[in-house]
This record gives sequence, structure tokens and C-alpha cells, in this order.
Amino acid sequence: QQQVKQSPQSLIVQKGGISIINCAYENTAFDYFPWYQQFPGKGPALLIAIRPDVSEKKEGRFTISFNKSAKQFSLHIMDSQPGDSATYFCAAEYNNRKLIWGLGTSLAVNP
Amino acid sequence: NAGVTQTPKFQVLKTGQSMTLQCAQDMNHNSMYWYRQDPGMGLRLIYYSASEGTTDKGEVPNGYNVSRLNKREFSLRLESAAPSQTSVYFCASTRDSAVGYEQFFGPGTRLTVL
Repeated sequence: QQQVKQSPQSLIVQKGGISIINCAYENTAFDYFPWYQQFPGKGPALLIAIRPDVSEKKEGRFTISFNKSAKQFSLHIMDSQPGDSATYFCAAEYNNRKLIWGLGTSLAVNP
Repeated sequence: NAGVTQTPKFQVLKTGQSMTLQCAQDMNHNSMYWYRQDPGMGLRLIYYSASEGTTDKGEVPNGYNVSRLNKREFSLRLESAAPSQTSVYFCASTRDSAVGYEQFFGPGTRLTVL
């Protein structure tokens, strides 16, 4: 129950395309779902986050879609750029500001 | 404003040696964390501190101890290093955001235990 399953493990997208990363969870007590972006040699940085009382949140080219009944949420990167090439992690809060993390998706955007 | 700083950046230890990883933040955040990141394993929480003087175990606390020295500093100690502790260690602190909260990460410490 304390897991967040992330897919795919790696993703290659052409410049201008849409990148989609999916996450699924079991524990219905999770109530905060952030996405983090990590570049090589750096720590992760918050990209966008959502609470389960909304089904979608958009910030620029990044959108989270949330399906509470299916216990799934996804990150969509529109008009993907080479600078978006990084590892993306989904996470879920399981207890008082403690996060359980997905295993990450390595995104490569080809020029 | 340096954010979250960690020292050292790199470290090589022999099995059985001890060391302390240092972390400091200058953002006046209450909550601080220690994570380890291993290939294919994502980030796993080692210890967490909600405020000065309090600490709490995360998913993988065995073999580690922590000290929340003051509001700024949160150190991680390996008493007797093992090869299984070879990893990249990240310290983080948290501030409230519009939706929930944001964790700010340091640059990491790359530890190899031989």
C-alpha cells in the first residue's frame, strides 16, 4: 500500500511532441501528489503538484491529470523541448509531509 | 541565499569507518529530510525532522543516526559504514506552497563504501 508505481522507466520523444508519464497508487489516504524534475548531478526540484479534489492542474507546458477513482495520475509535457530532458519523479504524501516516491522516468527529447 | 548546502560533495570510506554528512539551510524552514538515491530505486526517506529537537524514522533508517542541531542544521551519521550504504545522499527542507509544500534539495553527497 505504501507504493507509487511509475511508468515508463524511460521515454524518448521528438521535439515538439507530448511526453506522458503515469503513476498509480493503492493507498487512498494519500492526499498530495507532487512531480519533481531532476537533472544529472543535481537534486530534484518541484515541477507541479496537485491535491485529489481537482482532476487537472496546468502550469505552462506541464499538466497533471488526476483520476481519483482509478488511483492514477499523470504528467503531460506539451511541446517537449530538449531542455526538458531529465528524470521525472512522481510522489505521494503518506504521513505528515513524508513522501513516497516513484522510481523515476528518464525522458530524452530529441532535437 | 545559498538554499540547502551539503558537505562533503564526495566521500570514499572503507567498511566499518564512520562519518557525518552535514546539511544546512538558510531559508528558515522547519522541516528537514535526509534521503538516499540509488539507481533504479528512486528516493527513499532515511530520517525526517519536523522541527528543531525532533526527529522521526523514514523508510530506511537502519545504520544511520541523525541530529537536528538547530533550525538550520541537520546531520546524518553513519556509525559503521557498509557497502550497501554506497549511494547519493540528499538533504532537503520544506516550505509551504499554494497547493501543499515544496521540498528544496541540496546538491547531494556521493558516498562510496569499499
